[in-house]
Amino acid sequence: RKEVEQDPGPFNVPEGATVAFNCTYSNSASQSFFWYRQDCRKEPKLLMSVYSSGNEDGRFTAQLNRASQYISLLIRDSKLSDSATYLCVVNKASGYSTLTFGKGTMLLVSP
Amino acid sequence: GAGVSQSPSNKVTEKGKDVELRCDPISGHTALYWYRQSLGQGLEFLIYFQGNSAPDKSGLPSDRFSAERTGGSVSTLTIQRTQQEDSAVYLCASSSPWEASDTQYFGPGTRLTVL
Repeated sequence: RKEVEQDPGPFNVPEGATVAFNCTYSNSASQSFFWYRQDCRKEPKLLMSVYSSGNEDGRFTAQLNRASQYISLLIRDSKLSDSATYLCVVNKASGYSTLTFGKGTMLLVSP
Repeated sequence: GAGVSQSPSNKVTEKGKDVELRCDPISGHTALYWYRQSLGQGLEFLIYFQGNSAPDKSGLPSDRFSAERTGGSVSTLTIQRTQQEDSAVYLCASSSPWEASDTQYFGPGTRLTVL
């Protein structure tokens, strides 16, 4: 089983739609979780951390289910500028440690 | 302030040649990471430096790959006798002891093409 698995997509949605991405991870000892965003031919950038209680940042909501080893990202009211690849990222240990990246889910938002 | 910088942005080389890729982390960031991303693939961890500790080299794919970090700042990734399968984007990231989370900030990457 891959350490971090994501549906590669692409997810094609119209502007204004709500879209959800899921991710599963294999290491039950994983400590921290993130969603990064990567635009075409650009470097990854942190979108948001994912907390056990779930967290929201504007139109973005992240959820974590430790029992199922499952992370989700919900984007409401999609914008054209949301088109990108969304990377699910897991840190095996707290603090400094190497991140394990999923291959990403591509989102294409159309007018 | 300035972000992570990498040079060169693009490198084309012939099979069998050695290449050096440079990373300049954000000032004050004690942790530095190298990853590579092949076409259509996820990021693959290569090596991790934290302060003056021995680096974590567990991700280096072969002994042709090496990296050093001088003075706790700039890092150089060296690939000897390059092969076509080394073609990828090499990304450097750094992180800060002052961040509440272990956020990594990425540089723009070096796109390596081995002919």
